[in-house]
Amino acid sequence: GAGVSQSPRYKVAKRGQDVALRCDPISGHVSLFWYQQALGQGPEFLTYFQNEAQLDKSGLPSDRFFAERPEGSVSTLKIQRTQQEDSAVYLCASSTVDSATNEKLFFGSGTQLSVL
Amino acid sequence: GQQLNQSPQSMFIQEGEDVSMNCTSSSIFNTWLWYKQDPGEGPVLLIALYKAGELTSNGRLTAQFGITRKDSFLNISASIPSDVGIYFCAGQPNAGGTSYGKLTFGQGTILTVHP
Repeated sequence: GAGVSQSPRYKVAKRGQDVALRCDPISGHVSLFWYQQALGQGPEFLTYFQNEAQLDKSGLPSDRFFAERPEGSVSTLKIQRTQQEDSAVYLCASSTVDSATNEKLFFGSGTQLSVL
Repeated sequence: GQQLNQSPQSMFIQEGEDVSMNCTSSSIFNTWLWYKQDPGEGPVLLIALYKAGELTSNGRLTAQFGITRKDSFLNISASIPSDVGIYFCAGQPNAGGTSYGKLTFGQGTILTVHP
């Protein structure tokens, strides 16, 4: 498709389960971002990839969160031993490399994670 | 960390009215952006501002980058029902000259338009 695609749209996990969230960025977009959006809040930065390199992971809340983009295209955000506070919408975004305009992020529809 | 304070939190207006919302920060941003988010969707970029004092329009939307680099506002003129949604401001500082999409978002303004 033409936009950023995320799957699944909804994920319900029992506390302690591991989950994996997938993101397909716009074709040709070098930069990929993961954001976390809690209910009633704005998105918060988690991590950033340029191609396969993870250049910034300062926003990952704990070592239970892990992201990868092994071939510089599809990315997976993995959360181990999920906790209730992990419940949120996880947004993926991509952009072109152009340093003047790469703040123009194109967001996917997100994965809504509910941890019971 | 950096915080963006966005106001108002919500607005209820009649179709045809003008709307104004703003965003302030305790620290300087070198890029300000305004996004709209519909239920169940990701944010969509409306306007991007790159220079202090810049005033930019996109149809019925007008946004300004404050002179102090610590604030921005968004105006919507002649609102219509499809303007309903959540509007977010977002800022990006320069980090050692590297520019990438590590944005700080405000809390959002929920806009309701009554026909």
